[in-house]
Amino acid sequence: DGGITQSPKYLFRKEGQNVTLSCEQNLNHDAMYWYRQDPGQGLRLIYYSQIVNDFQKGDIAEGYSVSREKKESFPLTVTSAQKNPTAFYLCASSPGQETQYFGPGTRLLVL
Amino acid sequence: DQQVKQNSPSLSVQEGRISILNCDYTNSMFDYFLWYKKYPAEGPTFLISISSIKDKNEDGRFTVFLNKSAKHLSLHIVPSQPGDSAVYFCAASGGGTGANNLFFGTGTRLTVIP
Repeated sequence: DGGITQSPKYLFRKEGQNVTLSCEQNLNHDAMYWYRQDPGQGLRLIYYSQIVNDFQKGDIAEGYSVSREKKESFPLTVTSAQKNPTAFYLCASSPGQETQYFGPGTRLLVL
Repeated sequence: DQQVKQNSPSLSVQEGRISILNCDYTNSMFDYFLWYKKYPAEGPTFLISISSIKDKNEDGRFTVFLNKSAKHLSLHIVPSQPGDSAVYFCAASGGGTGANNLFFGTGTRLTVIP
């Protein structure tokens, strides 16, 4: 089945630790995105990539990093510089048109 | 500054009646609008979209209306069903705002009462 997978479903981060969230899609979409959702708020864009080996910062990129070495994969690293990492992280992909399709999300919690 | 606003955080509707969810935007460059439905701890699911060249788009029980002069769009669900209970996000994208980037509202929680 075609779709977007995110792993893990839950992730715990210790103080000062970097953690990486996985996002994979087999939809052959060119563009991929990472969003963060906090309670009572909409989705805010962290990073996006329109093509392999290229990515751009979104509205809240500080404390995060990404890579796009393969078309189907767009991992997000939450670094120790991100002081408030607890949130629900959503990955999306798009065939280049405006509609984006989302994965199931990863909830990140700080120990 | 929030460019897409959903001013009603919640809405309750009786089963079988119409649900109307509203969304306002401030950026006149937006030219494509979408509605997503989201259950807790899941990713948003795409529902319906509309281009700025149209003022209405229908898909089954869901209709989206766009009023460009008022910078307002709405989602109508008729008839409402208990399974429609979820948080609904509107989103917008458009030229000059970053290719295909979506700007989301804060969501409206719809509860359909059986």
